[in-house]
Amino acid sequence: GAVVSQHPSWVICKSGTSVKIECRSLDFQATTMFWYRQFPKQSLMLMATSNEGSKATYEQGVEKDKFLINHASLTLSTLTVTSAHPEDSSFYICSATSDRGSGNEQFFGPGTRLTVL
Amino acid sequence: GENVEQHPSTLSVQEGDSAVIKCTYSDSASNYFPWYKQELGKRPQLIIDIRSNVGEKKDQRIAVTLNKTAKHFSLHITETQPEDSAVYFCAASPRYKLSFGAGTTVTVRA
Repeated sequence: GAVVSQHPSWVICKSGTSVKIECRSLDFQATTMFWYRQFPKQSLMLMATSNEGSKATYEQGVEKDKFLINHASLTLSTLTVTSAHPEDSSFYICSATSDRGSGNEQFFGPGTRLTVL
Repeated sequence: GENVEQHPSTLSVQEGDSAVIKCTYSDSASNYFPWYKQELGKRPQLIIDIRSNVGEKKDQRIAVTLNKTAKHFSLHITETQPEDSAVYFCAASPRYKLSFGAGTTVTVRA
């Protein structure tokens, strides 16, 4: 149980275009979803936290107008990278906490590799 | 916010030997300390976690210890095997957010 999926698994786009990444909890309702970014050979950096039906909370230094997060249901959150540039190329990973879990444990999606040309 | 430091950044061990990774945290409100193993291009995989009301937890070859007073926790892997080679991350959670350490690249030499 507690499976999280992401789509797409990888995407290549041209500079200036927008890219949408979906994160789904497949067998549980996600009370909270998180979006992380991971550059090569670095750690996971939290970008934002989202709860269903409310605005996402962004970490310091993350542009909310560039990284749009929508959490429309208890099983789906989307991250849209608007006007992507090469420096946005990274591994984006979502995670979710379960309504059945302890609250702290996060279940991670498989990640999306974004390459901006 | 929470600040997690992790050492060493790289660790090379002979197969069969033990590996130890240490982390410190800053926020005394942290009460959940997971450890993740991440292979290249894959998601972080939870290998063990510990909560602040427990000092030690063991799962087969993996153990974690927590010293709340000193604000540090450690991962111990015994009888290392080549498949243990990966990047390991510690994390601390004061409420619901996770703060990650910088990671340790573990290489097990056959």
